[in-house]
Amino acid sequence: ETGVTQSPTHLIKTRGQQVTLRCSSQSGHNTVSWYQQALGQGPQFIFQYYREEENGRGNFPPRFSGLQFPNYSSELNVNALELDDSALYLCASSFGSVQPGAGYTFGSGTRLTVV
Amino acid sequence: EDKVVQSPLSLVVHEGDTVTLNCSYEVTNFRSLLWYKQEKKAPTFLFMLTSSGIEKKSGRLSSILDKKELSSILNITATQTGDSAIYLCAVGLEPYGSGNTGKLIFGQGTTLQVKP
Repeated sequence: ETGVTQSPTHLIKTRGQQVTLRCSSQSGHNTVSWYQQALGQGPQFIFQYYREEENGRGNFPPRFSGLQFPNYSSELNVNALELDDSALYLCASSFGSVQPGAGYTFGSGTRLTVV
Repeated sequence: EDKVVQSPLSLVVHEGDTVTLNCSYEVTNFRSLLWYKQEKKAPTFLFMLTSSGIEKKSGRLSSILDKKELSSILNITATQTGDSAIYLCAVGLEPYGSGNTGKLIFGQGTTLQVKP
């Protein structure tokens, strides 16, 4: 068990719909980063939340948005789904945001399929 | 644009073979290079390298960073079927501006298959 829980594990949505993915961070961690991993590709950084505020964003359009809650869990919301949004969405929690990658614990991801 | 490239993209070996996976990078504000193993979904941490020329080892796995060549290698000796996975290389950037903070740039990954 990794300590980071993501839900749901699998999801099928229709183009144009909206989706919310959830991530519970590991105990003691206050930072959550979200990544999109398309089939056959490496993960791409979407954004990071540190102490409930967005703390860095990758090259993703505004229809990708997020939240972090006081217990440091996080949500990723995607509006107006497109076929290219089909991917594995990974959440990683860590303590602090100054050392990227060190101490990251990844969740097992949510597999989103857009049809 | 920041970029991380891994080679080969896929590799098939037999148990007992030694493999070398390559990672090269072109980024601004390099801070660290990390290797992860991804078996099913969650990447698991293998190594973080920040200094050039210092080898890190864990069992049959080892890795080294060459900052002059902007590259790293991951070696696996005496491979086992349990080593079959995707190996991801990622570069962490120095925080400068809000866009870089906490961001990892990943390569495409190398898919390793170890046959019995």
